[in-house]
Amino acid sequence: KAGVTQTPRYLIKTRGQQVTLSCSPISGHRSVSWYQQTPGQGLQFLFEYFSETQRNKGNFPGRFSGRQFSNSRSEMNVSTLELGDSALYLCASSLPQWAGGPNEQFFGPGTRLTVL
Amino acid sequence: AQSVTQLGSHVSVSEGALVLLRCNYSSSVPPYLFWYVQYPNQGLQLLLKYTSAATLVKGINGFEAEFKKSETSFHLTKPSAHMSDAAEYFCAVSQDTGRRALTFGSGTRLQVQP
Repeated sequence: KAGVTQTPRYLIKTRGQQVTLSCSPISGHRSVSWYQQTPGQGLQFLFEYFSETQRNKGNFPGRFSGRQFSNSRSEMNVSTLELGDSALYLCASSLPQWAGGPNEQFFGPGTRLTVL
Repeated sequence: AQSVTQLGSHVSVSEGALVLLRCNYSSSVPPYLFWYVQYPNQGLQLLLKYTSAATLVKGINGFEAEFKKSETSFHLTKPSAHMSDAAEYFCAVSQDTGRRALTFGSGTRLQVQP
């Protein structure tokens, strides 16, 4: 079974630009979560999508947004990039909550975003 | 609210020595607890998880962790370190509220000396 895939793996942008990152979950997984990882703030939850609906959102400004498609693939968008947005963005997929049990999340390799 | 504290941002052990990485959690309801490992330039890989079925949890690569409710701890151990264990380790907590969000600790970088 293929794992979580994220594209692109590396991205360089300049301040003020916007960026879109893509995530394809494991087949059969319908829940997708996004996390930001930085040396200063560590791993922080951005948002979670299930059945094309945002179910949960972390404490990030409105410049960070996401969506999920009917095939469970997800994208996240960051508008008006700032230097502080440089980070590793990780996507994770998991079985839906109604499947029961803990939310074991399977992570992709991440997208390394550098903002210049 | 929930939080995770990992004591020691860096831990160094000799090959063959015991590995002990500490994690304490704070949660208003019974938590789910996880340990993840991250190798350079990679995502997170699940080592093990606590789901209330058993307090001593065995994971991959010889790691195990013991849930101690009285101490609100979930320390990660491995009897004998291997060079390939060098990586960053994250403890994480979530709650059985239907939400998938994980709250992570700040991570512990494990160095294994030959």
